[in-house]
Amino acid sequence: GDSVTQMEGPVTLSEEAFLTINCTYTATGYPSLFWYVQYPGEGLQLLLKATKADDKGSNKGFEATYRKETTSFHLEKGSVQVSDSAVYFCALFSGGYNKLIFGAGTRLAVHP
Amino acid sequence: NAGVTQTPKFQVLKTGQSMTLQCAQDMNHEYMSWYRQDPGMGLRLIHYSVGAGITDQGEVPNGYNVSRSTTEDFPLRLLSAAPSQTSVYFCASRGGGSYTFGSGTRLTVV
Repeated sequence: GDSVTQMEGPVTLSEEAFLTINCTYTATGYPSLFWYVQYPGEGLQLLLKATKADDKGSNKGFEATYRKETTSFHLEKGSVQVSDSAVYFCALFSGGYNKLIFGAGTRLAVHP
Repeated sequence: NAGVTQTPKFQVLKTGQSMTLQCAQDMNHEYMSWYRQDPGMGLRLIHYSVGAGITDQGEVPNGYNVSRSTTEDFPLRLLSAAPSQTSVYFCASRGGGSYTFGSGTRLTVV
């Protein structure tokens, strides 16, 4: 079945450091891909998405490119802030199963 | 504000008790779903509904019941709570290709 694999956390960075969180997927067809963010004590918020190969999603300085050849959707940010501390989830929409499938989540902690 | 509303935010149950987690949305979305979030496992789909009167099972449906009598509401019922159901539960609706999540219910079963 369809699945998502994320790099394990936690990831600890200093403010202004470069961030990469790896995400790869297995799916039939061409799913839509998403990154969600969960701040402490809150629900999930959509951070960015891409719906087809080579699309780049971007929001709040975060970017991710849909790479069909490597089945990846890595999240990047050039300069993280303390306020970016959260749990990040990679997800794909599986049309065949009519559901959103999540990775395990990666906790990011950014220190001043 | 438009969105998905979940109640309660926190709940402690004793093993064997029953309860209903409420979920309501005001966006007229046909699709609604329930997920549970456990450490290291991401979010797993419990049940979903594609419209009033239609429900289906997700990955982890055992121990949970749902019904969908209206477009707005999608309650999740625990018939006999077990410690393995200790988790954070999220309701989500889908419209226009995007999901909107509620703020979650943290459930502890002792």
